[in-house]
Amino acid sequence: NAGVTQTPKFRVLKTGQSMTLLCAQDMNHEYMYWYRQDPGMGLRLIHYSVGEGTTAKGEVPDGYNVSRLKKQNFLLGLESAAPSQTSVYFCASFRDGPYNEQFFGPGTRLTVL
Amino acid sequence: AQKITQTQPGMFVQEKEAVTLDCTYDTSDPSYGLFWYKQPSSGEMIFLIYQGSYDQQNATEGRYSLNFQKARKSANLVISASQLGDSAMYFCAMRGLSGSARQLTFGSGTQLTVLP
Repeated sequence: NAGVTQTPKFRVLKTGQSMTLLCAQDMNHEYMYWYRQDPGMGLRLIHYSVGEGTTAKGEVPDGYNVSRLKKQNFLLGLESAAPSQTSVYFCASFRDGPYNEQFFGPGTRLTVL
Repeated sequence: AQKITQTQPGMFVQEKEAVTLDCTYDTSDPSYGLFWYKQPSSGEMIFLIYQGSYDQQNATEGRYSLNFQKARKSANLVISASQLGDSAMYFCAMRGLSGSARQLTFGSGTQLTVLP
């Protein structure tokens, strides 16, 4: 049981390049999320999904797109990277239960030059 | 809308002493959950403790306890007998339980440093 995994762990992009971050979970969770964390700040929600084939915008969705074609995967895309998107990106998944706990991936550190 | 406020950017505590990290929240959701996460320098998010808004007793998990005061909308984390390994960033978060999205809203965090 790997939990929540993220690929890649680190990436450096040039302004205008595109990339896709992959999040995978093997816990059969319905809910999946993408957050970004900037220095000295908490996590802010970018996009989320409440089930396969569904996506919705979070607090800071501009410049990002997502897809959830399979229940276990949630992809975050940057079509034209900007320096303001330099951040650490966390994926998380969630199940209803006694703790309502969100399980987090290890994070992806992205630098846009 | 939900909001979490952590007013202590940084805290220091002597090893083996107790420390309280403050968290206040605001929500219109009648049912919600409150969480604390620890983020060490390695960067991962570690779940510490959870308190449901309708729980009668304050949550405890080992050396962690949550001082939940619903009327004051506060959910302070108490760490007893601090250890050097407790040095980390601590985030308070909440989730409304009656909506469909179930996303967590985070505070800005408190950097805790445990002194030997």
